Amino acid sequence: DTAVSQTPKYLVTQMGNDKSIKCEQNLGHDTMYWYKQDSKKFLKIMFSYNNKELIINETVPNRFSPKSPDKAHLNLHINSLELGDSAVYFCASSQPGLGGEQYFGPGTRLTVT
Amino acid sequence: TQLLEQSPQFLSIQEGENLTVYCNSSSVFSSLQWYRQEPGEGPVLLVTVVTGGEVKKLKRLTFQFGDARKDSSLHITAAQPGDTGLYLCAGIGNRDDKIIFGKGTRLHILP
Repeated sequence: DTAVSQTPKYLVTQMGNDKSIKCEQNLGHDTMYWYKQDSKKFLKIMFSYNNKELIINETVPNRFSPKSPDKAHLNLHINSLELGDSAVYFCASSQPGLGGEQYFGPGTRLTVT
Repeated sequence: TQLLEQSPQFLSIQEGENLTVYCNSSSVFSSLQWYRQEPGEGPVLLVTVVTGGEVKKLKRLTFQFGDARKDSSLHITAAQPGDTGLYLCAGIGNRDDKIIFGKGTRLHILP
């Protein structure tokens, strides 16, 4: 059974488009995250949700909007995609909070052309 | 702003050799985690260290948390090709519980 799953695995799109990445965890965790990993493998937290409520919103353009319909899902919608948005996006979950082990999804490789 | 510096960034050594990876900061962390990431996959937690001076062993891997909880090291004994991967340290903020990752050490073990 997959603990944290993301779709799609790969996403290639043109500048200016709007796209969404979906994430689901079946671990029963209360906290979910979105991370961005750039080409140099630097992993940076973007958002953190605790039980559907936003608790961390790092300096991320407002073109990025997370949505949590329930505590098992945290989707990421990106408007007006730019070349610099190309990266691998990881969803993760943890329990009880940030001090706990982060369980990462397999990542979504986004390429903006 | 809290920063975690990892060194070296890249390390390529022969199978059987020993190596140490360092994770340093000027900030104090409540705990520190080490993750390993393989190509095309997400990071997987190896260990969490919480107490200053703590040493944890995972088979051939030895993790140490600095006495002041500002730094950590990962030592691998008799490295094997299966140890190849990206090693990331992550610190949990002492005051705000925020997590920050180091930039990683890319390790390649040659058979």
